[in-house]
Amino acid sequence: ETGVTQSPTHLIKTRGQQVTLRCSSQSGHNTVSWYQQALGQGPQFIFQYYREEENGRGNFPPRFSGLQFPNYSSELNVNALELDDSALYLCASSLGLAGGFGTQYFGPGTRLLVL
Amino acid sequence: AQKITQTQPGMFVQEKEAVTLDCTYDTSDPSYGLFWYKQPSSGEMIFLIYQGSYDQQNATEGRYSLNFQKARKSANLVISASQLGDSAMYFCAMREGHKGGTSYGKLTFGQGTILTVHP
Repeated sequence: ETGVTQSPTHLIKTRGQQVTLRCSSQSGHNTVSWYQQALGQGPQFIFQYYREEENGRGNFPPRFSGLQFPNYSSELNVNALELDDSALYLCASSLGLAGGFGTQYFGPGTRLLVL
Repeated sequence: AQKITQTQPGMFVQEKEAVTLDCTYDTSDPSYGLFWYKQPSSGEMIFLIYQGSYDQQNATEGRYSLNFQKARKSANLVISASQLGDSAMYFCAMREGHKGGTSYGKLTFGQGTILTVHP
């Protein structure tokens, strides 16, 4: 086990609603990255938080937003849910240093279904 | 253009035999890292092995080894002595060193290869 936890494990929402997903990083890690994985696809990078600031963003609209807290846990918020947001959402923690970032260790994911 | 290409949608192997999963990548960054992850049906992405672009030797971790051919831009995963528990989806991923002068840890994944181990 990686020590990365995510909640909830499963979630069902309706179109137009808002959702918050949570991630606790592995002890000693200061960086959290979020990925969206549609069925049958590889994960797609949403954004990364390093020491409480957004440090890189993928090709996702602004209705995808996030936070990182002083204990390095993180939230992913998605507003105005669309059917295509149905996916497995993975968070990964790593240790970020001045020279770069270490290996990312993933949590078990949150499966979101939008009806 | 695809940055990570995994051309084998599915692979089959007999238990105790070795199997190679292919991965080719595309980058102009001289500093990059290549990763392999295993994803069982439960969904969790499990880190297997890492190869840095400047590493002189191929990475090995237990039954996993990475056949890194830099000139060909390939990073194939070799699993020796396959076990039934190795049946899963396998993803190759790349982390590029810098983007626009900023270092960040975005991983770009391939489409994955489903490995099935037969008894």
